Amino acid sequence: DTEVTQTPKHLVMGMTNKKSLKCEQHMGHRAMYWYKQKAKKPPELMFVYSYEKLSINESVPSRFSPECPNSSLLNLHLHALQPEDSALYLCASSHQRKGPLNTEAFFGQGTRLTVV
Amino acid sequence: DQQVKQNSPSLSVQEGRISILNCDYTNSMFDYFLWYKKYPAEGPTFLISISSIKDKNEDGRFTVFLNKSAKHLSLHIVPSQPGDSAVYFCAASLRGKLIFGQGTELSVKP
Repeated sequence: DTEVTQTPKHLVMGMTNKKSLKCEQHMGHRAMYWYKQKAKKPPELMFVYSYEKLSINESVPSRFSPECPNSSLLNLHLHALQPEDSALYLCASSHQRKGPLNTEAFFGQGTRLTVV
Repeated sequence: DQQVKQNSPSLSVQEGRISILNCDYTNSMFDYFLWYKKYPAEGPTFLISISSIKDKNEDGRFTVFLNKSAKHLSLHIVPSQPGDSAVYFCAASLRGKLIFGQGTELSVKP
C-alpha cells in the first residue's frame, strides 16, 4: 500500500463554518505534512508532524489547526476561513530519517477547498 | 525569495524525442532533490530523486543530473511519450522541508 488517502475530495464551506480535512496512510511513515497549492503555483508547506508531534509550522494563521491523532492519521481543522484560503490542500507522508539523507514524500490527491 | 526556480513554464516535445526540464536553486544547504509529476486535480506523484552527494541518478526513461557548482539540476526523459504530458515540479529538501519550484508544463505531441 503506497497510498495517501485524503477526504473529502471537494469541500465548499462558508466563512463561519467549521470543517475538517482528513488524511490517512498505512506505509509506516512517521513524518506527515500539510501543503497548500493555489492555481498555477507550487505547493507551499504549512505543517510538518514528526512522530505525531508538530515540528514545523510555517507561520500559518490560527484558523488552520492541525492534529495528528496517531501515526496513520493527520487532520486539518478549519474555522472562520476567508475566500482567499480557497486552494488545493495536499497531505503527504515520508519516512523520518535522521541525518542528511531524506526520502521522497508521497502525496495524496488533495482536497479542493472553496470558501464562499 | 524563490529558492527553487523553474524558469520555463512550458515545454513542447515530439513523441520519441528527449525532454529536458531544468531547475535552479539558490541555497547550497539543500541536501536532497526530487522531481514530481502532477496531473490536474491530483496530488504530485514522485518520479525520481538525487542526493546532493551524487551527480546522476537513472530510473528507466528518467535521469536526473545534479551540478552542485552551478546549483542546477535537470530531468531527462527519453524517449518522451504522450502519457508524460503533465506539470513537472522540482523540489529541494532541507531539514525535512520540501521547497518546490513553480513547475514546467510538458506537452508531448504524437
